[in-house]
Amino acid sequence: AQTVTQSQPEMSVQEAETVTLSCTYDTSESDYYLFWYKQPPSRQMILVIRQEAYKQQNATENRFSVNFQKAAKSFSLKISDSQLGDAAMYFCAYRSGNSGYALNFGKGTSLLVTP
Amino acid sequence: GAVVSQHPSRVICKSGTSVKIECRSLDFQATTMFWYRQFPKKSLMLMATSNEGSKATYEQGVEKDKFLINHASLTLSTLTVTSAHPEDSSFYICSARDHGGTSGRASYEQYFGPGTRLTVT
Repeated sequence: AQTVTQSQPEMSVQEAETVTLSCTYDTSESDYYLFWYKQPPSRQMILVIRQEAYKQQNATENRFSVNFQKAAKSFSLKISDSQLGDAAMYFCAYRSGNSGYALNFGKGTSLLVTP
Repeated sequence: GAVVSQHPSRVICKSGTSVKIECRSLDFQATTMFWYRQFPKKSLMLMATSNEGSKATYEQGVEKDKFLINHASLTLSTLTVTSAHPEDSSFYICSARDHGGTSGRASYEQYFGPGTRLTVT
């Protein structure tokens, strides 16, 4: 079974600064997808960014970018120019490319943004 | 587009009763839906995969007779918590996979509902 590890239960960043959230995963598969989801206090899950394992280029969505290191099985999320609205729980998730479409989530990182 | 609704958003029920939670894909067809459970300050744990027109696939440790899942149409899956007990109190979230046939969107996208908070007294 694939495991997703987020080793930072909580992180804090000042507004306008940059923060990196860590995620590592364990898999023997070669075809898979990785995701970062944001869960604000409303608890609605919001897709932040996704990465296909076969793509070498790191995904980027505006202020959000990832550092995907396939050999190291690492998938960190960088948030640039942090905003107060970025405060939330962030979950790293894995999805197999071979069987089913269910997501396997890490334990999450609570991000606090201070003015 | 790509909206998933859940009803109710909150429900309180007495111990021993059953409660049904609905998950609907509003603007796309979903052959597959997923049910997750989330405890306070915890991650989402997959309970079961719901496939339209067939039996749900439950994760290890999830009682299929307690958590009944029905996926009778391409836009609706229901989760019924039978004979609820206080330990069933939790936040239940569904997601729906857009199979891409009607919307043209990538079939690997999953869209989450807003969740249902169940409290069993």
